[in-house]
Amino acid sequence: EVQMVESGGGLVTPGGSLRLSCAGSGFTFNDHSMNWVRQAPGKGLEWVSSISSYSNDKYYADSVRGRFTISRDNAKNSVYLQMNSLRVEDTAVYYCARDPRVFGDLLYGMDVWGQGTTVTVSS
Amino acid sequence: NFMLTQPHSVSESPGKTVTISCTRSTGNIVSYYVQWYQQRPGSSPTNVIYEDNRRPSGVPYRFSGSIDSSSNSAFLTISGLKTEDEADYFCQSYDLSHVVFGGGTKLTVL
Repeated sequence: EVQMVESGGGLVTPGGSLRLSCAGSGFTFNDHSMNWVRQAPGKGLEWVSSISSYSNDKYYADSVRGRFTISRDNAKNSVYLQMNSLRVEDTAVYYCARDPRVFGDLLYGMDVWGQGTTVTVSS
Repeated sequence: NFMLTQPHSVSESPGKTVTISCTRSTGNIVSYYVQWYQQRPGSSPTNVIYEDNRRPSGVPYRFSGSIDSSSNSAFLTISGLKTEDEADYFCQSYDLSHVVFGGGTKLTVL
């Protein structure tokens, strides 16, 4: 079964940092680009960042560029989101989601999503 | 960046058919695939349509997707509505540097 499990969420004060992790299983991890998508309480989905199979290409939403960094470790079947200079408006459930294509280029969409990890930024 | 605009909510009776629209603000809707996701309360999103009109395995035939270039819009149609279809639905597309989600449509089946 294809599965993504996120971890690393928690409560952090404004200006602080947090590192999210997402472990993939049930598929050949390094064949697929990966995405982070967030959802603020009671709001819609917002794309955050994407990374290609071998980290050659990284993309960011304007709202997080310069503050968040996406990375992956294919040996550990994991993708990460380093979040710095956190703001109250970054409060959300953060989902990890797979690009279903094998070695797909550019951006696309998602098929399997994790259960999400909650990030709360508050003083 | 472009935007995808969806109606905030729609409602219909069980057994009926409903169509949810998703209009792209700039750029041609046919140039980049559109995906649709269903999200029930308290759950993660699941993909119900990919590449404009293709159904993932396990998604009922009642779900279909289409594209209309004249209105620069994508559509999700659900026929034979069931109470279990009540959920939020999000369209999603992309360009060379961004992925964009529509604001979501709350479907009520009453």
